[in-house]
Amino acid sequence: DGGITQSPKYLFRKEGQNVTLSCEQNLNHDAMYWYRQDPGQGLRLIYYSQIVNDFQKGDIAEGYSVSREKKESFPLTVTSAQKNPTAFYLCASKKTGGGSGQPQHFGDGTRLSIL
Amino acid sequence: SQQGEEDPQALSIQEGENATMNCSYKTSINNLQWYRQNSGRGLVHLILIRSNEREKHSGRLRVTLDTSKKSSSLLITASRAADTASYFCATDAGNTGKLIFGQGTTLQVKP
Repeated sequence: DGGITQSPKYLFRKEGQNVTLSCEQNLNHDAMYWYRQDPGQGLRLIYYSQIVNDFQKGDIAEGYSVSREKKESFPLTVTSAQKNPTAFYLCASKKTGGGSGQPQHFGDGTRLSIL
Repeated sequence: SQQGEEDPQALSIQEGENATMNCSYKTSINNLQWYRQNSGRGLVHLILIRSNEREKHSGRLRVTLDTSKKSSSLLITASRAADTASYFCATDAGNTGKLIFGQGTTLQVKP
């Protein structure tokens, strides 16, 4: 079955540590997105990529970094510069082209907490 | 930036009743989408309505869009306990596929 896999499901970060969240998709989608969700809130866009080897900052990119070396993979690194990283992180992908409007497909998220 | 504002923030109804959620947004859009999120899970796409459409149906779901008022509503008819979840509207306004999400409505359907 095609889909998006995020790992790990739970992650703990120590002070001063960088951590990387994995996102893999086998939907053959060109576009991929990272969102942050805080309790009781909607999703806020961190980074997005419309094509391999290219990515753009979203609304809250400070303290985060990404790479897009392969179509299937879009890992997110939460750096030590992100002072409030505790949140639920969601990865999504989308087919580009095919007319006006394609939905995004989401993984099941990674919950990041501070130790 | 949050574009969508959803109302109500929380809704509690009995099984069999209808649930209506509203979404307002600020700028012109290409389309508006509704997603569902079960607790601790990712979002699942429910329905997409384009800016030139006024109403769309999918099973027990009915979505309306009023671009003059910059608002949309999601109606779930004959609700079931399994419909308990958070529901988000999201607007697609550019050519990058970026979505801007509202804060969501938490729906509880009591059996």
